[in-house]
Amino acid sequence: AQSVTQPDIHITVSEGASLELRCNYSYGATPYLFWYVQSPGQGLQLLLKYFSGDTLVQGIKGFEAEFKRSQSSFNLRKPSVHWSDAAEYFCAVGDNTNAGKSTFGDGTTLTVKP
Amino acid sequence: EAGVAQSPRYKIIEKRQSVAFWCNPISGHATLYWYQQILGQGPKLLIQFQNNGVVDDSQLPKDRFSAERLKGVDSTLKIQPAKLEDSAVYLCASSLDPTFTYEQYFGPGTRLTVT
Repeated sequence: AQSVTQPDIHITVSEGASLELRCNYSYGATPYLFWYVQSPGQGLQLLLKYFSGDTLVQGIKGFEAEFKRSQSSFNLRKPSVHWSDAAEYFCAVGDNTNAGKSTFGDGTTLTVKP
Repeated sequence: EAGVAQSPRYKIIEKRQSVAFWCNPISGHATLYWYQQILGQGPKLLIQFQNNGVVDDSQLPKDRFSAERLKGVDSTLKIQPAKLEDSAVYLCASSLDPTFTYEQYFGPGTRLTVT
């Protein structure tokens, strides 16, 4: 069965500093991978996705993620964090044998210090 | 374009009572999902509809949860009777089709508290 691990429950960074959120997945085939952001009281918004091809994918709001098959990782990065980036971030892996079914990690809460 | 609408936004009930949540997906979206998000966890898929047919309900506790999507548009998720462990945010999402080609759009959720 597929699974996702986000090792960091909570991360605090200073505004303007770089950010990396970790995600490790378990899946038997080539995965579909996603990062979502959830602001308080809001639904999830897709930041970026990886299906195939270039292992470095660009997303919205200045985020990018790198797929590393050898490490079963799909870490999210941003070079300079803004206060508005404070939110909860979820990594997910898609089951391409059951179209549309995603398994989510338990999330990482990002706090941004002024 | 209007997003996914959900109501109510908040609901407090006592255990053993019944509750229903409503979702109106984005117009034209054939696929609709209901997720349960317990505090401190990621969303877990409860049921997936394609038009008005069920694609996947393998994680739906069918002894107490039910869902329908009449006419392939709006959907209702019901819990009867509720247990304390049902306290969670219930998220509805929709997409144009069930493949990962198209993004899932999420509603704001309904926060359920069972006392």
